[in-house]
Amino acid sequence: SAVISQKPSRDICQRGTSLTIQCQVDSQVTMMFWYRQQPGQSLTLIATANQGSEATYESGFVIDKFPISRPNLTFSTLTVSNMSPEDSSIYLCSVASTWNTEAFFGQGTRLTVV
Amino acid sequence: AQTVTQSQPEMSVQEAETVTLSCTYDTSESDYYLFWYKQPPSRQMILVIRQEAYKQQNATENRFSVNFQKAAKSFSLKISDSQLGDAAMYFCAYRSPNYGGATNKLIFGTGTLLAVQP
Repeated sequence: SAVISQKPSRDICQRGTSLTIQCQVDSQVTMMFWYRQQPGQSLTLIATANQGSEATYESGFVIDKFPISRPNLTFSTLTVSNMSPEDSSIYLCSVASTWNTEAFFGQGTRLTVV
Repeated sequence: AQTVTQSQPEMSVQEAETVTLSCTYDTSESDYYLFWYKQPPSRQMILVIRQEAYKQQNATENRFSVNFQKAAKSFSLKISDSQLGDAAMYFCAYRSPNYGGATNKLIFGTGTLLAVQP
């Protein structure tokens, strides 16, 4: 299994500001994903981070709000832009090494917007 | 589109007893993967068990086993000899096979919060 380091683990931010979350993996992985888990809810996929190209966003999520970078096979960032209290959630990075293996998760970033 | 349903928001079990968590799903695909993930208060999502739809044999991992009923689209998790450390939120998840460039994304159920009573 991959070891995933996600930073920060938590943050409290002012509305209107932006926060960048980092995801570092200890080995090269094919797939990297960003999920959102709203309070008391399940996980929803935001986007697939593609190495060297634009991320693939799910319905309801847009690049202007959640810009994603993936400069190499071990690192990705998710930015939550122009935050509002509705963005208060846990954001999780997930990786998979090949198409047919299970996904592993980082410990998540708990974001509170005030 | 695929959906995953967990009809038990909360469950409770006595330590050392057995508990079964339910999960149903809807799909038109014949080949897919199913997973159970555990999320303790630390927020870390931990893979508990996986099942490939083409395998008829139910997956087993130590005290954890599944009852996979493909025709009924049911995928329940049985935890035997429950321990205090099993207390967590449990999520059932579905993943399509990688045909035609489909992503490896997971579709999650709403979760079941399991409490273990000493």
